[in-house]
Amino acid sequence: AQSVTQLDSQVPVFEEAPVELRCNYSSSVSVYLFWYVQYPNQGLQLLLKYLSGSTLVKGINGFEAEFNKSQTSFHLRKPSVHISDTAEYFCAVGKAAGNKLTFGGGTRVLVKP
Amino acid sequence: NAGVTQTPKFQVLKTGQSMTLQCAQDMNHEYMSWYRQDPGMGLRLIHYSVGAGITDQGEVPNGYNVSRSTTEDFPLRLLSAAPSQTSVYFCASSNNRGLGETQYFGPGTRLLVL
Repeated sequence: AQSVTQLDSQVPVFEEAPVELRCNYSSSVSVYLFWYVQYPNQGLQLLLKYLSGSTLVKGINGFEAEFNKSQTSFHLRKPSVHISDTAEYFCAVGKAAGNKLTFGGGTRVLVKP
Repeated sequence: NAGVTQTPKFQVLKTGQSMTLQCAQDMNHEYMSWYRQDPGMGLRLIHYSVGAGITDQGEVPNGYNVSRSTTEDFPLRLLSAAPSQTSVYFCASSNNRGLGETQYFGPGTRLLVL
């Protein structure tokens, strides 16, 4: 069985400051890793994903994440946030075979001016 | 190309009532799934389908039924609604090549069971 832990439920951050959202997972098999974003009153959309290869993954809107196999982590970062980055962010893992995803509890990011 | 559509956007039910949440996609995706979103718990998989005529249970299937008669549609049925089913429901679809496919989500249905 897989599990995903997002260590921070809420992260307040000032505009133009950096942000890091932490994600740890556990799995006994190879996994794919995802970050999805949910803007207020909308569905989820993909920010980025790690399938294989380079452990540093770049996504949309200036976000990037680093896969660390030894620490079973997939932390998300952005060097300078905008007001429009206010949203809830979800880390998810999927098995290397199949499409089922296991989601973390989510991290609410509130960007303050 | 509408992507994934869900109806209704919002619904209020009384305990014991039944209803169907509709989901449709126009991307010819084989894989479709239903999640429920509850505060602090992320999204939990209810049921999924890898193609027309094939469905299977996810993590929290109790109280929900699904069917998949066409590639495009994947309705979720609540047979006898309970207050514990108050949640936001998301439908998602993707290709089914098992290669870390991106899942595309609908806008959600907000359900309140009184």
